[in-house]
Amino acid sequence: EVNLVESGGGLAQPGRSLRLSCAGSGFTFGDYTMHWVRQSPGKGLEWVSGITWNNYVIDYAKSVKGRFIISRDTAKNSLYLQMDSLRPEDSALYYCAKDRSSGGIRDSFDMWGQGTMVTVAS
Amino acid sequence: DIQMTQSPSTLSASVGDRVTITCRASQNIRSWLAWYQQKPGKAPKLLIYKASSLESGVPSRFSASGSGTEFTLTISGLQPDDFATFYCQQYNDYPYSFGQGTKLEIK
Repeated sequence: EVNLVESGGGLAQPGRSLRLSCAGSGFTFGDYTMHWVRQSPGKGLEWVSGITWNNYVIDYAKSVKGRFIISRDTAKNSLYLQMDSLRPEDSALYYCAKDRSSGGIRDSFDMWGQGTMVTVAS
Repeated sequence: DIQMTQSPSTLSASVGDRVTITCRASQNIRSWLAWYQQKPGKAPKLLIYKASSLESGVPSRFSASGSGTEFTLTISGLQPDDFATFYCQQYNDYPYSFGQGTKLEIK
């Protein structure tokens, strides 16, 4: 069974850092492009960042570029999001999601984790 | 960046109704569009990929069409389980982007 489990969320003060993790299982993690998507309470979905299966393409939403870094460790079947210089507007439920097909550059997301909550407040 | 605009933002309908949600892209995204359904407290669920392809396990009452900049999602014969929020997403180009969502409510 394909599964994604996020962790690492919590309360952080503005300007501080958090590192999110997403553990994948039930599929060949290294073959899939992975993403982070966030959702502020009561709001819509916002794509945050993605990293292709081969690390060839990495991109970020404008709102986080220069502050967040996405990475992956295929040996550990894990995806990460290093979040620095956090702002109150970064408060959200952060989901990791996988591409529907392996080895692609451009695809929809067929599996999502349950999310990890990040709250940025003093 | 590509902006995605959904309409309406809220839709009230009854069980058995046929409803249509529209999604417009600010530039040509060919057929690189997905539709997701999200229920309260749950992660989004993929319904449609590549503008009109039904994801495995999704009931056939869901259908979608479109290409370029204009897309639609249609639900024929609404079931009680269908009431949720729906999002379109373009994956033609990074940064990917979602529509603002359409909340489908019971009338």
